Amino acid sequence: GAGVSQSPSNKVTEKGKDVELRCDPISGHTALYWYRQSLGQGLEFLIYFQGNSAPDKSGLPSDRFSAERTGGSVSTLTIQRTQQEDSAVYLCASSLSLTEAFFGQGTRLTVV
Amino acid sequence: AQKITQTQPGMFVQEKEAVTLDCTYDTSDQSYGLFWYKQPSSGEMIFLIYQGSYDEQNATEGRYSLNFQKARKSANLVISASQLGDSAMYFCAMRKDDFNKFYFGSGTKLNVKP
Repeated sequence: GAGVSQSPSNKVTEKGKDVELRCDPISGHTALYWYRQSLGQGLEFLIYFQGNSAPDKSGLPSDRFSAERTGGSVSTLTIQRTQQEDSAVYLCASSLSLTEAFFGQGTRLTVV
Repeated sequence: AQKITQTQPGMFVQEKEAVTLDCTYDTSDQSYGLFWYKQPSSGEMIFLIYQGSYDEQNATEGRYSLNFQKARKSANLVISASQLGDSAMYFCAMRKDDFNKFYFGSGTKLNVKP
């Protein structure tokens, strides 16, 4: 596709369940970022991948959160044993050039 | 550590007028980029404009321009001829020139009045 694609668009899960959020970056983009945005708040950095370098995981809020990027393309963010405070919009962005970066439409996660 | 400050939580502008959204940043890096994003109520983040730290000219993209004052560490977004569709949240962000993470400001909610 032409843009960054995230799936699912919406996810409702029960507290304690595991969830996987997917991000398909723009083809050829080497940098991929995950952020989350709680209702009415700013963007909180989670993790980023750049090429073959080790990812920067410094923003992951707990060890329940993990992410991987397979083959330098698709990325999956996994949240284990979800808690209500995990409810947020999870945004993915990709970048090839220093002068631009594009976001997907986000995944709205609701933990009930 | 990098920090982005947007001091205007909310702003109103009359349709067809120009508006300036403020952004200041703090960094010890010499090479970096500044970005502005628009987030309508639908939630998507739309990339608007980029300014490099070494760019001598202010960036422009259509009705958007960036008033870059490097010595003052400010990167204000100017929207000319505001339209109703410009009503949205606007975020300023900075990234070092090594594809490191973005640092975002807290955003400014712009309302365009008819």
